[in-house]
Order: sequence, then C-alpha cells, then structure tokens
Amino acid sequence: DTEVTQTPKHLVMGMTNKKSLKCEQHMGHRAMYWYKQKAKKPPELMFVYSYEKLSINESVPSRFSPECPNSSLLNLHLHALQPEDSALYLCASSQAGARETQYFGPGTRLLVL
Amino acid sequence: KQEVTQIPAALSVPEGENLVLNCSFTDSAIYNLQWFRQDPGKGLTSLLLIQSSQREQTSGRLNASLDKSSGRSTLYIAASQPGDSATYLCAAVSGTYKYIFGTGTRLKVLA
Repeated sequence: DTEVTQTPKHLVMGMTNKKSLKCEQHMGHRAMYWYKQKAKKPPELMFVYSYEKLSINESVPSRFSPECPNSSLLNLHLHALQPEDSALYLCASSQAGARETQYFGPGTRLLVL
Repeated sequence: KQEVTQIPAALSVPEGENLVLNCSFTDSAIYNLQWFRQDPGKGLTSLLLIQSSQREQTSGRLNASLDKSSGRSTLYIAASQPGDSATYLCAAVSGTYKYIFGTGTRLKVLA
C-alpha cells in the first residue's frame, strides 16, 4: 500500500472558524510533511515531522498548528485564517531521511471566506 | 538559499515526439533530485529519484539525468502520449528534509 490519504477533500471556512486537516499513511514512513500550493505555483514546504517530532517549521504563521499524534497520522489545525491562505494543502510522507522518495496525498482544497 | 527553475514553463507537442524538460538548481550540495508529475487539482506522483552519487535513472519511457557540477537535471520522455499531459516538477533536496520545488513545466501532448 503506497497511499497517503487526506481528509477532507474540500473545505470552506470563515475567518473566525477552527478546522483541522487530516493526513494518514500506513507505509511505515517516519517522515511526514505539510505543503501549501497556490494555483499555478510549486508546492511550498510548511512543516516536517521526523519520528513524530517537529523537525522543520518554515516560519509559518501561528494560525497554522501541526500535530503528529502517532507515526501514521498528521494533522494541521487551522484557526483565524485569512483569505490569502486559500490554497491546496498537500501532505506527503517518506522513509526517514531525505534520500527517499516522497509519496503525496491528493490534497485538501481550502477556501477561506 | 536554494533556487530551482524549470524551462520551458509550458510545452505543447504532437503525440509521438521525444522531449526534454530542464531543471536548474543553484546549490549543488543536494542529497538527491526528484521528478514528479501533477495532474490539475491533484497531488504529486513521484516519477524518478536520482541520488547525488548517480548520473541517471530510467523508468519505462522516462529517463532522468543529473549533473551536480553544472546544477542541472533533465527529464527525457520518449514517444510522448496524450496521457503524459500534466505539470512536471523537479525537487532538489538540500539539507535534511528540505525539498525545494522548481517552477514546473506544463506539458500538453496533442493527439
């Protein structure tokens, strides 16, 4: 099974809402990633978890809060977002270490009103 | 700071043509370079991964090469098909877990 799943597929939220994105993999990967992708732009790395510990935070605003409850799950908690945060949010995983192939989920399309 | 660019930005070719996509990176201290394809509104699919010690990788009709000294990688697609139409992205991996994606090439293969 080489699948990364993400829920929900689509999300519409107001600027005062609190919501969460979920990502799951069962490949035994120990590195998990969140990316943000705007239309016609490449993905931009947001966070990396390695062995369930936050390894990289690319200066992401605190209104985005990642969480890695266990080695298979990755969440992204959203609060007080801005309309410019509307984007495709992609989750990925890989074996521990940067020398391995990344596997991506299908993404969550987020619209902030 | 690593910067990755891809040329051309867009490409339209008739079915059956062989084509080359280019990826350039500014910092040659990379662990590996990966090529992905992305269909509109979807996630990324890994195509090929070239470790820093390798010169090329092949998978079916795809061949990717890496020249670290010149900061370049190319993706060669043989006998293109309409199903190859997608955006192709390269990613240079510098430092632990630091994936920096290129600007992408939007490919359209005409039947």
